Amino acid sequence: AQKVTQAQTEISVVEKEDVTLDCVYETRDTTYYLFWYKQPPSGELVFLIRRNSFDEQNEISGRYSWNFQKSTSSFNFTITASQVVDSAVYFCALSEAAGANSKLTFGKGITLSVRP
Amino acid sequence: KAGVTQTPRYLIKTRGQQVTLSCSPISGHRSVSWYQQTPGQGLQFLFEYFSETQRNKGNFPGRFSGRQFSNSRSEMNVSTLELGDSALYLCASSIGTGMSEQFFGPGTRLTVL
Repeated sequence: AQKVTQAQTEISVVEKEDVTLDCVYETRDTTYYLFWYKQPPSGELVFLIRRNSFDEQNEISGRYSWNFQKSTSSFNFTITASQVVDSAVYFCALSEAAGANSKLTFGKGITLSVRP
Repeated sequence: KAGVTQTPRYLIKTRGQQVTLSCSPISGHRSVSWYQQTPGQGLQFLFEYFSETQRNKGNFPGRFSGRQFSNSRSEMNVSTLELGDSALYLCASSIGTGMSEQFFGPGTRLTVL
């Protein structure tokens, strides 16, 4: 069975600090996808990134970067120079390729508060 | 391009009643998935529809059902509502099934009294 663990539940930082959100996953599949979503107070989940299990390259998008390490089954997300607008709940999710279905298994989420 | 829309946004029902929630996917998207979000259980997968067929189902009782129409719009129904059904119900659409990127709607907030 697949599982996603986000051990951090709440993180509070001061604006301009860097912050890393941890994600550890479990799956028996060799082919799978990992995702990060952001949920602002409005409630809508906003897609941030998708990474397949065969691509371990780190990715950077502006102030966001992701570190995927299969050896430790981790897919961590770093926000550089955080801003107040980054305050939200962040979810890591896993989707297995078997059955070609779209089911996402989510972690419990990390509430990030960025203080001015 | 219009995003995923869900109606209604807010709903209040009483125990024992039934409810129908609607989801209109992004134009051209053929897959619709439903998720339930509660403070205790987090985000949980309900089911996925693709081309009017249910492709996958989560671990929910039979009171939860859904369907998809030929225009890809989807509805989910919950019968005999229980207090524990109070949640945010999110719909996600994607172009195809499998690993396609999923786009979420704003959700329907259901309160059962």
